[in-house]
Amino acid sequence: GAVVSQHPSWVICKSGTSVKIECRSLDFQATTMFWYRQFPKQSLMLMATSNEGSKATYEQGVEKDKFLINHASLTLSTLTVTSAHPEDSSFYICSARLAGDWNEQFFGPGTRLTVL
Amino acid sequence: GQNIDQPTEMTATEGAIVQINCTYQTSGFNGLFWYQQHAGEAPTFLSYNVLDGLEEKGRFSSFLSRSKGYSYLLLKELQMKDSASCLCAVVDSNYQLIWGAGTKLIIKP
Repeated sequence: GAVVSQHPSWVICKSGTSVKIECRSLDFQATTMFWYRQFPKQSLMLMATSNEGSKATYEQGVEKDKFLINHASLTLSTLTVTSAHPEDSSFYICSARLAGDWNEQFFGPGTRLTVL
Repeated sequence: GQNIDQPTEMTATEGAIVQINCTYQTSGFNGLFWYQQHAGEAPTFLSYNVLDGLEEKGRFSSFLSRSKGYSYLLLKELQMKDSASCLCAVVDSNYQLIWGAGTKLIIKP
């Protein structure tokens, strides 16, 4: 149980285009989903916390107009990287937390974005 | 500020035991996680401690001392597949996960 999927697993796009990444909790309802970014040989960096039905909370330094997050249902959150640039190339990972008190986050497999 | 410290890299021999330490200073504490992350993959759950003491799960054990702001991950009977980053993460008072930079564990034959 507690499986999280991400799609696509990798994407290559041209500079200036927008890319949408989906994060789905397959067998549980996730009231809260998290979006992380990880550059090579660095730790996870939380970008934003997404609560179903409300606006995402972005971490300091993360542009909300560039990284659009939609958490429309209890099983789906999307991250759209708008007008992507080469410096946005990174490993994007989502995680989902079960409703209730349990603190564990279940991670998706990640999406590797390469912007040319 | 919030801070999680763990060694950058550790090397151990196949079949041996290794202990990876993690110290933390956070605003509140609601538990500590250890995750394992292989290169190019997402983190996978190893352990969770919220009370002081040792939690054992097969070859992996995790220890917590809240008064000292300290945890360790103990890996026994090391296998080559254990070569990965071990990430320490603390749940703060806002139920946010605060991540350490990870310890790259290198297993040698």
